[in-house]
Amino acid sequence: EVQLVESGGGLVQPGGSLRLSCVASGFTFSYYEMNWVRQAPGKGLEWLSFISNSGTIFYADSVKGRFTISRDNAKNSLYLQMDSLRAEDTAVYYCARDLLVGATAPYYFDQWGQGTLVTVSS
Amino acid sequence: EIVLMQSPATLSVSPGERATLSCRASQSVSSNVAWYQQKPGQAPRLLIHGAFTRATGIPDRFSGSGSGTEFTLTISSLQSEDFAVYYCQQYHQWLTFGGGTKVEIK
Repeated sequence: EVQLVESGGGLVQPGGSLRLSCVASGFTFSYYEMNWVRQAPGKGLEWLSFISNSGTIFYADSVKGRFTISRDNAKNSLYLQMDSLRAEDTAVYYCARDLLVGATAPYYFDQWGQGTLVTVSS
Repeated sequence: EIVLMQSPATLSVSPGERATLSCRASQSVSSNVAWYQQKPGQAPRLLIHGAFTRATGIPDRFSGSGSGTEFTLTISSLQSEDFAVYYCQQYHQWLTFGGGTKVEIK
């Protein structure tokens, strides 16, 4: 069974940092492109970042320069380092698997984690 | 950035009836549209990609159509488990989501 399990969320002050993790199981993680998507409370979905199986990386403008995506295929893990956090970064953060293997950009997501809540507040 | 507008914001439908959800793009996205279903407290679930291709395990009462700027998700006969929020997403130029349509019980 394919599983994605996020962790690392919590309460952080504005300007602070947080590192999210997503551990994958049930599939060959190294083959797949991965993404981070967030959802502010009561709002819609926002794509944040993409990392290909070969390490190509893209970011949404809203997080470029503040967030850093990375992966460790040996640990079947995806990460999101979030710096200079703002109140508007408060959201549930999901990791999501791209359905298309070998994609060079984000496409559409067939597997999602359960999400981890990040709250930015003083 | 390509903006996706979904309508209506809320759709009230009786079980067994047909539901038609719309998604309009601010510029052509060809057939590069996906649809997701999200229930409260759950992650989104992929329903449709390539505008009309059902994802694995998705019942055939879900169908997608359209190309260019106008897209439709149709649920032919609503079941109790289909009451949820539905999002369209384009992947023609980067990736953006629509604001969602909530399908509620009439």
